[in-house]
Amino acid sequence: QSVLTQPPSASGTPGQRVTISCSGSSSNIGSNYVFWYQQLPGTAPKLLIYRNNLRPSGVPDRFSGSKSGTSASLAISGLRSEDEADYYCVARDDSLSGPVFGGGTKLTVL
Amino acid sequence: QVQLQESGPGLVKPSQTLSLTCTVSGGSINSGSYFWTWIRQHPGKGLEWIGFIYYSGTTYYNPSLQSRLTISVDTSKNRFSLKLSSVTAADTAVYYCARGVGTVTTPWFDPWGQGTLVTVSS
Repeated sequence: QSVLTQPPSASGTPGQRVTISCSGSSSNIGSNYVFWYQQLPGTAPKLLIYRNNLRPSGVPDRFSGSKSGTSASLAISGLRSEDEADYYCVARDDSLSGPVFGGGTKLTVL
Repeated sequence: QVQLQESGPGLVKPSQTLSLTCTVSGGSINSGSYFWTWIRQHPGKGLEWIGFIYYSGTTYYNPSLQSRLTISVDTSKNRFSLKLSSVTAADTAVYYCARGVGTVTTPWFDPWGQGTLVTVSS
């Protein structure tokens, strides 16, 4: 059971906007930055969002992150078939003194 | 462009020690701006942080693995290594190495190696 809680699945049609939630506690999301990773099938995770809402170079602005209290969200607008992947949220947990991952959300583009 | 590549046995017997190496190319492991990370993913499941190491040798371990874990760095060969002792089937996973950016309190991981599957079985 993961420390950060994500819905196991999400879906949308091309062009739609979808959001993926990530719920934690005061010892992780509530007091630390949130990061998001995209894992395409059969590949290693790739950084998508860092420090809550910043995009690395090369990540389209269709992807955005936000955080409020002990929860965070990843939003994907203008959904495309190549967005079909697993998405993971991550935050440092002060109790663990290290990062904890969400269980991942499998995004299906219908 | 920094690249990371994991290497090591794909099959380890129960109770033995799992040993993996991550070779860094396209950049120096000596940079104080980064730290070097191991993360694993159990089959069909989520990700688990294993530990970090700085080029100086300072380490940070996941408490759940700490008693069995050693992460070391070899700056002369630009690589770092993972040793996990007394393995069981629960240690079967894809093991990734990654570069840690930021600080150990606000780390992100970029880039990652391609990952290597380690199966614990007799």
